[in-house]
Amino acid sequence: AQSVTQPDIHITVSEGASLELRCNYSYGATPYLFWYVQSPGQGLQLLLKYFSGDTLVQGIKGFEAEFKRSQSSFNLRKPSVHWSDAAEYFCAVGFSGTYKYIFGTGTRLKVLA
Amino acid sequence: DAGVIQSPRHEVTEMGQEVTLRCKPISGHNSLFWYRQTMMRGLELLIYFNNNVPIDDSGMPEDRFSAKMPNASFSTLKIQPSEPRDSAVYFCASSQLLGTDTQYFGPGTRLTVL
Repeated sequence: AQSVTQPDIHITVSEGASLELRCNYSYGATPYLFWYVQSPGQGLQLLLKYFSGDTLVQGIKGFEAEFKRSQSSFNLRKPSVHWSDAAEYFCAVGFSGTYKYIFGTGTRLKVLA
Repeated sequence: DAGVIQSPRHEVTEMGQEVTLRCKPISGHNSLFWYRQTMMRGLELLIYFNNNVPIDDSGMPEDRFSAKMPNASFSTLKIQPSEPRDSAVYFCASSQLLGTDTQYFGPGTRLTVL
């Protein structure tokens, strides 16, 4: 069955530190991959997406993600976290021929001053 | 572009009352999705429309839930009668193409049923 796993429910980092949020999926072919961010009381904002091509994808707000087919992963990274990055981050996977996304359960990021 | 617009942003109602949530998708988008977000279940897809036609409503939890899309620029999600367990944040999202295209989310409606 298709699935998306975000193994870290909560992550706490200090401002200025680097960040990596993990996302793994289970699917037989290359999926479409997305990272969304949700600030408190807000909707989901698209950070970046991967459909094909270069496996390192740049997004908004200084985020990037790398698709690794061999590991079925699409981890989100940022070299230096800002206090405003505190939010919940969702990985989502879409599959060719369908309209559905499967969302991970989210990782809540806390940033220490 | 104004993005996906949802109204109201917050709704508080009493059990048994009818609730109607509204969504205006991004102009030119022909796919529309209704999601529900709760702490226990995360993000759940309730129903999907393409070109104003409901394609998959298998996620609608009960007959108390219904959704319509009378035209390309408006959709409603109705709960009648509402129950406390319907309390959640309801999101509308739209995308441009059939298939796995980027979905753009509205700000959500936070529903509280007392």
